[in-house]
Amino acid sequence: ETGVTQTPRHLVMGMTNKKSLKCEQHLGHNAMYWYKQSAKKPLELMFVYNFKEQTENNSVPSRFSPECPNSSHLFLHLHTLQPEDSALYLCASSQDWTPQYFGPGTRLLVL
Amino acid sequence: ELKVEQNPLFLSMQEGKNYTIYCNYSTTSDRLYWYRQDPGKSLESLFVLLSNGAVKQEGRLMASLDTKARLSTLHITAAVHDLSATYFCAVPTHSGGGADGLTFGKGTHLIIQP
Repeated sequence: ETGVTQTPRHLVMGMTNKKSLKCEQHLGHNAMYWYKQSAKKPLELMFVYNFKEQTENNSVPSRFSPECPNSSHLFLHLHTLQPEDSALYLCASSQDWTPQYFGPGTRLLVL
Repeated sequence: ELKVEQNPLFLSMQEGKNYTIYCNYSTTSDRLYWYRQDPGKSLESLFVLLSNGAVKQEGRLMASLDTKARLSTLHITAAVHDLSATYFCAVPTHSGGGADGLTFGKGTHLIIQP
C-alpha cells in the first residue's frame, strides 16, 4: 500500500448504529487530519493530530470521536449520527507544512 | 475567523483559451495551497506557495502568491479538456508554522469544452 488509504470506501448506517472509519498513511508523516466534504458546504476541517496528540477539534459534535493510536493510523468513531452527517469523509497526512496528502475518502450515508 | 474566497465558482471555457482563478483570504498567511479534485475522487496537491511573490508552474497551470494583497491566482494557459476538474485553494487555519489544518475555498468548478 502506498500513500493514504481509507476503509471502508462506502458506508450506510442507521442513526442508532456505531461504526468506525479507518485511515492509514504510509508516508512517514507526523500529522494526520480528518475533513468533511458535503454538497452544501466547503471542505471542513474536523480534527488535527500531530505526533499522535490532538491539536485541533474544530467544534465537532461529540457523536464523532477520533482516535490516533500512532502516527500512521487514525480512526473516526461514529455513533448516533444524523442524516445531515452524510458526506465524504477525507483523511489526510502531512509532514509539518508540506502539502497534505489526501486519502480516497469514505462516502457515508446516514439513514 | 479566516475566510477563503474563490472566484469564479463555476467556469466554462473553450480549449485553447486562457483564464485565471482568484483566491482571496482574510488573515495573514505566508503559505497557500492549490488542489485539484476530479468527480468522485479525492484531492490532489498541485502547488504549495511559501512566500510573497512565489510562482510555481506545472504544464499549463501557473500559480502565484501575493501575501500583501492576500491573493493567489491560478492561471490556465491554452486549456485542454483534461484540465476539467474542481480547483481549491487552501490556507493554514492558524498562522503558526508546522502541521496545521487548512481552511478551503468553495472551489472553482472548471469545464473545458472542445
